[in-house]
Amino acid sequence: NSKVIQTPRYLVKGQGQKAKMRCIPEKGHPVVFWYQQNKNNEFKFLINFQNQEVLQQIDMTEKRFSAECPSNSPCSLEIQSSEAGDSALYLCASSLNLSYEQYFGPGTRLTVL
Amino acid sequence: GEQVEQRPPHLSVREGDSAVITCTYTDPNSYYFFWYKQEPGASLQLLMKVFSSTEINEGQGFTVLLNKKDKRLSLNLTAAHPGDSAAYFCAVSDGGGSNAKLTFGKGTKLSVKS
Repeated sequence: NSKVIQTPRYLVKGQGQKAKMRCIPEKGHPVVFWYQQNKNNEFKFLINFQNQEVLQQIDMTEKRFSAECPSNSPCSLEIQSSEAGDSALYLCASSLNLSYEQYFGPGTRLTVL
Repeated sequence: GEQVEQRPPHLSVREGDSAVITCTYTDPNSYYFFWYKQEPGASLQLLMKVFSSTEINEGQGFTVLLNKKDKRLSLNLTAAHPGDSAAYFCAVSDGGGSNAKLTFGKGTKLSVKS
């Protein structure tokens, strides 16, 4: 069973508000991924880290999304100004390295009213 | 970029029947393949990983077949039971460098009736 912890499980925000969610990867996993799963079960990769360094992120992430994985603190994903289209399940996954399987947390379900 | 097509989107079988879910992918450089199970309200549970050197993997109650020539991956639940009712997703990665993100299929919602 995955030991990735995500908080909060549910998040409700108004349009234009900030939305912040956190992820604690499995112990010993230096690689962290964030994905967005929409209501149509389409997954979108957002960003990944190795230790504290960003490896890759998509354009959407660069504009309104910010993420970090500081040393000795939970990773976080923040949407600066939420839009209705951001309503989705945000999944954090961690991995031993880039070639290994990814283990997912329970997700944060964001609803933007 | 990689595209993954998963079929069927919905599958309903009786307890004890087999259930087959298939994914096709486009990138011949894809190297790592995964199947995940997602129960309602829950996260993704890793079922099986398949690497390019492996063609058939067997797990508890299911078999995964990889056909690199046809760029096809399949999950076969050999004798489905109600506890198998869930959404199943295939995921593909080239596993290289920083581009190790997973590309997912759109899922198959499996319903097993007793």
